[in-house]
Amino acid sequence: GQQLNQSPQSMFIQEGEDVSMNCTSSSIFNTWLWYKQDPGEGPVLLIALYKAGELTSNGRLTAQFGITRKDSFLNISASIPSDVGIYFCAGTISGSARQLTFGSGTQLTVLP
Amino acid sequence: GAGVSQSPRYKVAKRGQDVALRCDPISGHVSLFWYQQALGQGPEFLTYFQNEAQLDKSGLPSDRFFAERPEGSVSTLKIQRTQQEDSAVYLCASSLDRGINSPLHFGNGTRLTVT
Repeated sequence: GQQLNQSPQSMFIQEGEDVSMNCTSSSIFNTWLWYKQDPGEGPVLLIALYKAGELTSNGRLTAQFGITRKDSFLNISASIPSDVGIYFCAGTISGSARQLTFGSGTQLTVLP
Repeated sequence: GAGVSQSPRYKVAKRGQDVALRCDPISGHVSLFWYQQALGQGPEFLTYFQNEAQLDKSGLPSDRFFAERPEGSVSTLKIQRTQQEDSAVYLCASSLDRGINSPLHFGNGTRLTVT
């Protein structure tokens, strides 16, 4: 199936630092989504992107839909302890509009 | 309820047993999805319902996996003759309508362990 390459696999940062993570694919995606998953819970949608080149913010989070439609990044500014968790990118491809393909996740740890 | 509810939260099955996992979507949500999440991985698509119709089951890994949503609300994922490789968290998600921009709301999953 389709694969999303998500990096980095894990990050350890100091509270207050900015964070950046990204996803790339060899296929063109029609939508890009970023989710956060806490232990024992389901993924929660953070940001959704629907157009190539789109840049969207949600509080301290900013994400962009790459112009080639094959990549996306998520930035978190001024990290706080509750940002700890696993962040997943996900997307849909043409012809499978209701089937999300997920990346393998970025484990974020925020040190006090 | 306010969110997607899944039961049981944990299930331990002996290899070869059949299991049934339940999903109660958000009331009024048309679309329902099942995903499988192996340890340390992202969720992988299993199947999709629009109301009671199963429109896509391309992600079901074998004919031991079967899903239904007979009245267009509650859904059950059944796994027959469980194998150790079936051990994973099974996530259910629902969305309000059929549009691709309708966000998915995930439940907290059922963690299945096959011994």
